[in-house]
Amino acid sequence: QVQLVESGGGVVQPGRSLRLSCAASGFTFSSYGMHWVRQAPGKGLEWVAVIWYDGSNKYYADSVKGRFTISRDNSKNTLYLQMNSLRAEDTAVYYCASSPNPAAADDAFDIWGQGTMVTVSS
Amino acid sequence: SSELTQDPAVSVALGQTVRITCQGDSLRSYYASWYQQKPGQAPVLVIYGKNNRPSGIPDRFSGSSSGNTASLTITGAQAEDEADYYCNSRDSSGNHPGVYVFGTGTKVTVL
Repeated sequence: QVQLVESGGGVVQPGRSLRLSCAASGFTFSSYGMHWVRQAPGKGLEWVAVIWYDGSNKYYADSVKGRFTISRDNSKNTLYLQMNSLRAEDTAVYYCASSPNPAAADDAFDIWGQGTMVTVSS
Repeated sequence: SSELTQDPAVSVALGQTVRITCQGDSLRSYYASWYQQKPGQAPVLVIYGKNNRPSGIPDRFSGSSSGNTASLTITGAQAEDEADYYCNSRDSSGNHPGVYVFGTGTKVTVL
């Protein structure tokens, strides 16, 4: 079945790094744009980053630009998020999600993972 | 960056109709998509594009748009529709149209 499974979350000290992974199955991963979306405890959804189907374009929210890097390995059907210089305000559940066409005006996040928790604390 | 504004909370009687709105300048250029999120669960896409429902989403969910406002309507609300709802669109501000933005979220209570 169509599935996204995140991993790599945990507790990390401020200023340190963490890499999240998202394993895709049940659909043609290499044909989809992929996103990271996060949700701080008790707060709303915040879009974090997108990478196009072939990795040719990447865009970031201002809050993570210069600290986070999104990447993908289409041979492994896996999406990544490298998070550096972590701050307390990065504490959140991180979801990966797919979208059929990031270049389209009607693009949407059609498949979501279950999320992985990242806690930044000393 | 753009902002998408939603009412924090709305309530609806069982079987009645409720409309949730999302306002923002980016909606003049891009369609909104709508997501339902229940406690402890990942969001689920309910409406995208002009007024499209993914497979498995009941037809009591519909979408519309006018100017800088997008709306999600639940016609004949059911108890299982009680959830948080978020809109999303591409960000039309700045020089990076590849950026996305979520609305502030609306908590829907079914009475």
